[in-house]
Amino acid sequence: GAGVSQSPSNKVTEKGKDVELRCDPISGHTALYWYRQSLGQGLEFLIYFQGNSAPDKSGLPSDRFSAERTGGSVSTLTIQRTQQEDSAVYLCASSPRDRTQETQYFGPGTRLLVL
Amino acid sequence: RKEVEQDPGPFNVPEGATVAFNCTYSNSASQSFFWYRQDCRKEPKLLMSVYSSGNEDGRFTAQLNRASQYISLLIRDSKLSDSATYLCAVNPRYSSASKIIFGSGTRLSIRP
Repeated sequence: GAGVSQSPSNKVTEKGKDVELRCDPISGHTALYWYRQSLGQGLEFLIYFQGNSAPDKSGLPSDRFSAERTGGSVSTLTIQRTQQEDSAVYLCASSPRDRTQETQYFGPGTRLLVL
Repeated sequence: RKEVEQDPGPFNVPEGATVAFNCTYSNSASQSFFWYRQDCRKEPKLLMSVYSSGNEDGRFTAQLNRASQYISLLIRDSKLSDSATYLCAVNPRYSSASKIIFGSGTRLSIRP
């Protein structure tokens, strides 16, 4: 079946511009995570959506970052007024999140470069 | 103290060797433990879930030590293709909707 997809796969933007990154999770998965990963570094948690619960935004690094998940499916991560330090790979993962299945399935990521 | 901690490595071992690394977690109530593998410039993929009784999949063995609050991953007869970063993940179960937390990963390099 189809896995998690993300678009665009690569994005180059100029400092100060806004960008939108999209994640299409696996159909039926109730949990959706966004992570950021800089070269050679670990996963940095950004935000977590679980069903109809309020999202856990505790990992968003600044108010320039926001995310929404419409209809419990597609999610968009928006970065406003991008800075060079925002350059990284942005990974999305979805999970069924029932009590017996919490495996996260990752998308291929969006590589963001801010010039 | 981080909620999930790993030795970043790198572990550099010869082909055929056995290598093991641990991942410690801070919340004793944690449930659900996982090992993921991440190849260079790729997304993480599940390697193994870790059950209380421990589990084995071919050359890979994962174990849970609740008393000392760590999980381990053992790789026997290592192959060049095992070179990757290994991430552990834990659900600390602060609530029914608590998020999975990843460690920062352990880099493994297998040399010929």
